[in-house]
Amino acid sequence: EPEVTQTPSHQVTQMGQEVILRCVPISNHLYFYWYRQILGQKVEFLVSFYNNEISEKSEIFDDQFSVERPDGSNFTLKIRSTKLEDSAMYFCASSERSPVNTEAFFGQGTRLTVV
Amino acid sequence: GESVGLHLPTLSVQEGDNSIINCAYSNSASDYFIWYKQESGKGPQFIIDIRSNMDKRQGQRVTVLLNKTVKHLSLQIAATQPGDSAVYFCAEINSWGSRLTFGEGTQLTVNP
Repeated sequence: EPEVTQTPSHQVTQMGQEVILRCVPISNHLYFYWYRQILGQKVEFLVSFYNNEISEKSEIFDDQFSVERPDGSNFTLKIRSTKLEDSAMYFCASSERSPVNTEAFFGQGTRLTVV
Repeated sequence: GESVGLHLPTLSVQEGDNSIINCAYSNSASDYFIWYKQESGKGPQFIIDIRSNMDKRQGQRVTVLLNKTVKHLSLQIAATQPGDSAVYFCAEINSWGSRLTFGEGTQLTVNP
């Protein structure tokens, strides 16, 4: 069964450092997303991406964040200068079409710990 | 502001019982709702969805009910099994379909 894969599973970084979280969406999917989940809290939307550009972003997705689809398979989230409050589980998701019409599949997540 | 939230943070049931997980939403313009299951250490997994022009939808052992009058959503799980133990989230999709807004989550524990 096709799945969304994320690497690494756990990333520890020093405050102020840059991190790149990587995702390989399902191959025939066209819509890509990043969500985050602070420990014990609900899942929060960060950004959606379609046709090589951001479709929508939340207020969390400030100038410290960026997304990129550097090739035909990877979808990355970069945090330029990490803060302690960026510690969370980051989930990548993808869907074949708009999630109104088709299911969005989530990856297993990357746990980011900022120390 | 707009929000999707859950009534109870935890629910404990006996194996074989039916479970009901509730969710309230505040945006009366919401058009589409999804229930997700999140097992420990995993990402959210789609369970069932419902559009605002429906009041009930059934899947395998699961039923979602939508009451638009009181802006309430529920997930019913029949004959709950230990494998159903997880956190359950309701989520709303915005009108242009680019963002899921999740509720707080209910931890379901199934006791053998």
